Amino acid sequence: KQEVTQIPAALSVPEGENLVLNCSFTDSAIYNLQWFRQDPGKGLTSLLLIQSSQREQTSGRLNASLDKSSGRSTLYIAASQPGDSATYLCAIQGGSEKLVFGKGTKLTVNP
Amino acid sequence: EAGVVQSPRYKIIEKKQPVAFWCNPISGHNTLYWYLQNLGQGPELLIRYENEEAVDDSQLPKDRFSAERLKGVDSTLKIQPAELGDSAVYLCASAGDRGNEQFFGPGTRLTVL
Repeated sequence: KQEVTQIPAALSVPEGENLVLNCSFTDSAIYNLQWFRQDPGKGLTSLLLIQSSQREQTSGRLNASLDKSSGRSTLYIAASQPGDSATYLCAIQGGSEKLVFGKGTKLTVNP
Repeated sequence: EAGVVQSPRYKIIEKKQPVAFWCNPISGHNTLYWYLQNLGQGPELLIRYENEEAVDDSQLPKDRFSAERLKGVDSTLKIQPAELGDSAVYLCASAGDRGNEQFFGPGTRLTVL
């Protein structure tokens, strides 16, 4: 059974700082990995999708990496802004095609 | 292009009452998912449809939950009767092809009193 862990559970940083969110998973037989953002009371916004054959994906100030052999992914946010404050969720899609989510990292970027 | 649409956004009911949630996926997306998200947790899959066929409903509590996607487009998730523990956010998502990116709707926040 796939298990996804996100560390830290919460993170508070000053504006402008570069930061890394971590995601680990127990079963390396994955199809893809997806990072989401969730604002309070809202649905999930897809940030990046990394296929199992890829090592990383970039979108603007975001960069996500995938290391299947070690069961790890990181989401790098450059030059953080207060608008980046949200909960970030990592999700793994395996053979069953459902997404298995971590509990998320709640990020606060202070002005 | 419109995203995944869900209604209602909020619903408050008393326990033992029925409730239904509606989802309209992104146009052309054959795969539709219903997820349940409890406070402070990541979403968990309830049911997955490929067109009108429910291909994974192993985590749907079938004694009180039901779902349908009659024409392979819109879907409805029903709870009857609702229990206090059903209070959560119900999220709908859709995807175009196997393994493709999943796109989520805004969710329905259910409160059972």
